Amino acid sequence: AQKITQTQPGMFVQEKEAVTLDCTYDTSDQSYGLFWYKQPSSGEMIFLIYQGSYDEQNATEGRYSLNFQKARKSANLVISASQLGDSAMYFCAMSPYSGGYQKVTFGIGTKLQVIP
Amino acid sequence: EAQVTQNPRYLITVTGKKLTVTCSQNMNHEYMSWYRQDPGLGLRQIYYSMNVEVTDKGDVPEGYKVSRKEKRNFPLILESPSPNQTSLYFCASSLLAGSNQPQHFGDGTRLSIL
Repeated sequence: AQKITQTQPGMFVQEKEAVTLDCTYDTSDQSYGLFWYKQPSSGEMIFLIYQGSYDEQNATEGRYSLNFQKARKSANLVISASQLGDSAMYFCAMSPYSGGYQKVTFGIGTKLQVIP
Repeated sequence: EAQVTQNPRYLITVTGKKLTVTCSQNMNHEYMSWYRQDPGLGLRQIYYSMNVEVTDKGDVPEGYKVSRKEKRNFPLILESPSPNQTSLYFCASSLLAGSNQPQHFGDGTRLSIL
């Protein structure tokens, strides 16, 4: 069974500072994908970044980067130069490559608040 | 515009009255999925579909049914809703059933079952 753990229910960060949101995972699959999604207060789910388990380099998308440490089973999201619009819930998710099934597991989320 | 459309957006109903939440995507995606979001529990997968006529249970399928008769539609059916199914529901789709595919989410349906 897959499991995603996000241990930070809430985080504060000063505007323009960097912040790291933690995500650890557990799976018996050898091949899998890791995702981060953002949910603003308006409620929609927005895809941010993806990391494959066999990708050698950490993924980056603009101000978002994923600090992937496979041996530690962690996939932390780093947001650089925080903006007020980054205030939102952030969810880490995992999906296996297995062709036999396609369950997706989400963590419980971290609420980030950016302080002016 | 590429989108996943859920209806209704809000619904208040009573225990036992069958209801259907529709989900439609216009991106020709193969994979579709339903989630429920509850405070402190994150998103939990209810059912997913790899393609037409191919569906499977997620982590919390009890009390729900789905069907995938057409590629674009993936309705969620509550045959006999109960108060513990009060939640925020999301439909999502992705191009293929591969784990490198990000999901596109609908705007959500807030269900209250009294």
